[in-house]
Amino acid sequence: NAGVTQTPKFRILKIGQSMTLQCAQDMNHNYMYWYRQDPGMGLKLIYYSVGAGITDKGEVPNGYNVSRSTTEDFPLRLELAAPSQTSVYFCASSFGGSSYEQYFGPGTRLTVT
Amino acid sequence: AQTVTQSQPEMSVQEAETVTLSCTYDTSESDYYLFWYKQPPSRQMILVIRQEAYKQQNATENRFSVNFQKAAKSFSLKISDSQLGDAAMYFCAYGGATNKLIFGTGTLLAVQP
Repeated sequence: NAGVTQTPKFRILKIGQSMTLQCAQDMNHNYMYWYRQDPGMGLKLIYYSVGAGITDKGEVPNGYNVSRSTTEDFPLRLELAAPSQTSVYFCASSFGGSSYEQYFGPGTRLTVT
Repeated sequence: AQTVTQSQPEMSVQEAETVTLSCTYDTSESDYYLFWYKQPPSRQMILVIRQEAYKQQNATENRFSVNFQKAAKSFSLKISDSQLGDAAMYFCAYGGATNKLIFGTGTLLAVQP
């Protein structure tokens, strides 16, 4: 099992550009999450999904969009990138809700200049 | 809303010694779960230990144990016989009735040889 995979590992964007961060899991987990981690801070939830076709906002959803067309994939779309979106992005998945262990991907370091 | 507080931004311990990392949380829920995650320099988030609030017995995983005080809303992590590989950022997290985890801001643990 590859677990949770994320691509790319690093990316530099110019202000106003758009991009999609890819996330995939091969554990047949229903729940998937996107977090951002800013320096010196914990993880902030951007969006999450409890199953294919179902997504919901987390704590910091502005400037992002998600879709969940399959159980395996949960891409995160950044529209009109801004310097405030410079961060490390983590995707995670779990078998169930917040009582279950979350399995994390290796992260994507994004810089917007 | 639930909150998680880690009041120690940095800690240091000598190899083979014991260290305790603090975490407090605020909630009005009676049934919930608490987690400690480890993030080494590789950035990979790894579950260290999990505690179910309805269980009075403190969770243990090898050299890692917790002191869960439900009335005080305290959830500290004790690392015994510290090893160089324990050097990492440690995050406390709360999982309640929602499908989301709430993370603290982390404690950076240094292990001195």
